[in-house]
Amino acid sequence: NAGVTQTPKFQVLKTGQSMTLQCAQDMNHEYMSWYRQDPGMGLRLIHYSVGAGITDQGEVPNGYNVSRSTTEDFPLRLLSAAPSQTSVYFCASSYSWEETQYFGPGTRLLVL
Amino acid sequence: ILNVEQSPQSLHVQEGDSTNFTCSFPSSNFYALHWYRWETAKSPEALFVMTLNGDEKKKGRISATLNTKEGYSYLYIKGSQPEDSATYLCAFRSGGYQKVTFGTGTKLQVIP
Repeated sequence: NAGVTQTPKFQVLKTGQSMTLQCAQDMNHEYMSWYRQDPGMGLRLIHYSVGAGITDQGEVPNGYNVSRSTTEDFPLRLLSAAPSQTSVYFCASSYSWEETQYFGPGTRLLVL
Repeated sequence: ILNVEQSPQSLHVQEGDSTNFTCSFPSSNFYALHWYRWETAKSPEALFVMTLNGDEKKKGRISATLNTKEGYSYLYIKGSQPEDSATYLCAFRSGGYQKVTFGTGTKLQVIP
């Protein structure tokens, strides 16, 4: 099993550009989530999904969209990048919302 | 947004010392408390899931206790080793609420 994979590992964007951060898991996990990690802020939940076709907002959803068309994939879209979105993004998954999460390796995003 | 606090923010100990740190969370509507270990340049990895008041978990030299009535959990490391250097995160789940709230972490540095 590859576990949770994320691509790209690092990305530089200009303000206003859009992009999609990819996340995939091969563990048949129903629950997937996106976090951003900023210095002194810990991990903050952006969006989450409890199964294919079902998504909901987390603590800091503004400027991000998600969809969950398959169990395996949970992409995060930045619609119009802003410097405030410079961060490290982690995707995580678990069997259900109650279970321990498995984290991907992270995507480091720099918005200029 | 739920308030989950960890203290201290950072800690330096000598190799061989024992240490402990705290995670505080809301005492109402408790469902589960997770502890994660997060090494620099890696992803968070699960240590414990704690669900019952009075729970004690142990994994090698690391153990944790839980008090849901007063809203805190302690993580203990006995005989700290340099490889224990990491950030230790707690994550709180409340009942009927599919989101998880992370604390900001305690960064432990073990000096050889």
